Amino acid sequence: DSGVTQTPKHLITATGQRVTLRCSPRSGDLSVYWYQQSLDQGLQFLIQYYNGEERAKGNILERFSAQQFPDLHSELNLSSLELGDSALYFCASSVVAGGGEQYFGPGTRLTVT
Amino acid sequence: QQQVKQSPQSLIVQKGGISIINCAYENTAFDYFPWYQQFPGKGPALLIAIRPDVSEKKEGRFTISFNKSAKQFSLHIMDSQPGDSATYFCAAQGDTGGFKTIFGAGTRLFVKA
Repeated sequence: DSGVTQTPKHLITATGQRVTLRCSPRSGDLSVYWYQQSLDQGLQFLIQYYNGEERAKGNILERFSAQQFPDLHSELNLSSLELGDSALYFCASSVVAGGGEQYFGPGTRLTVT
Repeated sequence: QQQVKQSPQSLIVQKGGISIINCAYENTAFDYFPWYQQFPGKGPALLIAIRPDVSEKKEGRFTISFNKSAKQFSLHIMDSQPGDSATYFCAAQGDTGGFKTIFGAGTRLFVKA
């Protein structure tokens, strides 16, 4: 158990809908990262927050957004969902802003029908 | 310049043998190279990591070899066990015009008993 929690574990929704994925980092970690894992794209870095501020952006679509709250938990919002958004979404956390050891949560499996 | 190329895609090793997975990167701004192990239905777990000022790092049965001039690094699993059967990802982290973590495509390892 990495200490990173993610909810929900599974999510099934229809195209065009909006969902919110939630992540709580390990105790003491200030950085949260979001990743998408799909069969054809592998693990893709989406976005990073450090102590409430956006720190780095990866291959995140404009339909997706994230934020980190004062208690350091983070939410990833996915809107106007398409079939191709079906994937595993992982959250990871680390102590520092500049990467280093990242600890991954168990993931949320999103299925868009 | 942002890619991390990982090979082989899959690997079958006899119990007790040595498993070797290779990765190559392009951007010299990367300064942290972790390996992750992922079991089905679980999030990636940090296995071992290295920084470019070191050519080798060993932790138990796992060794990273790093060749800075060739921009290559590899994971060696000594005395491979059936419990090592998993997908392994290499990654490269650094500030490449914004902090990034780039993952390799993954290697599915199967250790035969």
